[in-house]
Amino acid sequence: GEDVEQSLFLSVREGDSSVINCTYTDSSSTYLYWYKQEPGAGLQLLTYIFSNMDMKQDQRLTVLLNKKDKHLSLRIADTQTGDSAIYFCAETVNYGQNFVFGPGTRLSVLP
Amino acid sequence: DTEVTQTPKHLVMGMTNKKSLKCEQHMGHRAMYWYKQKAKKPPELMFVYSYEKLSINESVPSRFSPECPNSSLLNLHLHALQPEDSALYLCASSPTGEGAKNIQYFGAGTRLSVL
Repeated sequence: GEDVEQSLFLSVREGDSSVINCTYTDSSSTYLYWYKQEPGAGLQLLTYIFSNMDMKQDQRLTVLLNKKDKHLSLRIADTQTGDSAIYFCAETVNYGQNFVFGPGTRLSVLP
Repeated sequence: DTEVTQTPKHLVMGMTNKKSLKCEQHMGHRAMYWYKQKAKKPPELMFVYSYEKLSINESVPSRFSPECPNSSLLNLHLHALQPEDSALYLCASSPTGEGAKNIQYFGAGTRLSVL
């Protein structure tokens, strides 16, 4: 089946690092993605990683990929209150035509 | 410019009404998508258009009718909806409908309430 799994909630203190985890199922997924959704808004692409990479860093964001375990993580350094949102990981299936989203992780940043 | 524009932002309709949701992008993308998102759930794919042709219909009821008049526009025609169809409807576009780097760019959505 096409199930992408994530933990549903994460709460961190402002200034700490956040780590959001995801497991995916389709070993043929060539790219994996992280999207952010703020309340009442659409999905904003945060970053993506090619499947032959182990890590990708983009400013405060670090993506780690363990292809053997089909595990993806997103680390946000120096988490700010503006980072409070729902974070979705997604994989492409059906030769890239379809996105399958995880259930989303609600990140709460406490002052 | 990575903007996908959806109108209207909010829509309230009765079960006997006919309305349309509109989506527009000027990024030259040749694949466009409709998703439905219920509260606290991930988006669920409804339709995919690739080069203005419907390529995927995820068993969506016929009361939802998509239309792609040209490569920049995507409509979703609504008729005889049910209260359970109330949701956020998201449009997205990507450079192609197939292939590896299928980055999808999303609009802000239309929040639909069916009374």
